Amino acid sequence: SQKIEQNSEALNIQEGKTATLTCNYTNYSPAYLQWYRQDPGRGPVFLLLIRENEKEKRKERLKVTFDTTLKQSLFHITASQPADSATYLCALGVMDTGRRALTFGSGTRLQVQP
Amino acid sequence: NAGVTQTPKFQVLKTGQSMTLQCAQDMNHNSMYWYRQDPGMGLRLIYYSASEGTTDKGEVPNGYNVSRLNKREFSLRLESAAPSQTSVYFCASSSFPASGNTIYFGEGSWLTVV
Repeated sequence: SQKIEQNSEALNIQEGKTATLTCNYTNYSPAYLQWYRQDPGRGPVFLLLIRENEKEKRKERLKVTFDTTLKQSLFHITASQPADSATYLCALGVMDTGRRALTFGSGTRLQVQP
Repeated sequence: NAGVTQTPKFQVLKTGQSMTLQCAQDMNHNSMYWYRQDPGMGLRLIYYSASEGTTDKGEVPNGYNVSRLNKREFSLRLESAAPSQTSVYFCASSSFPASGNTIYFGEGSWLTVV
């Protein structure tokens, strides 16, 4: 069966350190992968997109890698700040005319301690 | 621009009652979605509308109906609410999802069925 796995346990790190979140998937052939941030009581907000032919994407303190052989994406936040504390969701997109919507993982909660 | 607006924010229903969640977007997007989010389950697609005049079932459509009233509006109806439909509901929209465009989410509607 198709599955997207994100670490369900919260990730606690110290301010200034690099946070690394993992997204693994099985039985999908995504054309692209997106990462979203969700704060408590709010809707998800788009952060980054990476396509299947891209290995790495950066945006300010954020970096995403995409390994289609390992079926894994890593999401890095460098020089983390308490304001980065939130839940981070990965989502897979497929180039399938029968399914034009993202499939989301359940998210990993990040807590950055000052 | 308001982005994606959904109403109501909170609602308590009795089992068997019906209600409609309203959603509107002002970004001239073609595609609109309804997701539900439950603890540990992530965001699951209920229905989506790839363009005005079309709707398709997602992963968990049972117990729901949708209407794409026009390009701006996409409503979700619960005909006979059940406790299993207690959840947070998110409406979302995007321009051309198959090309990886960003999905924009509303702020969510908290529904409790007692």
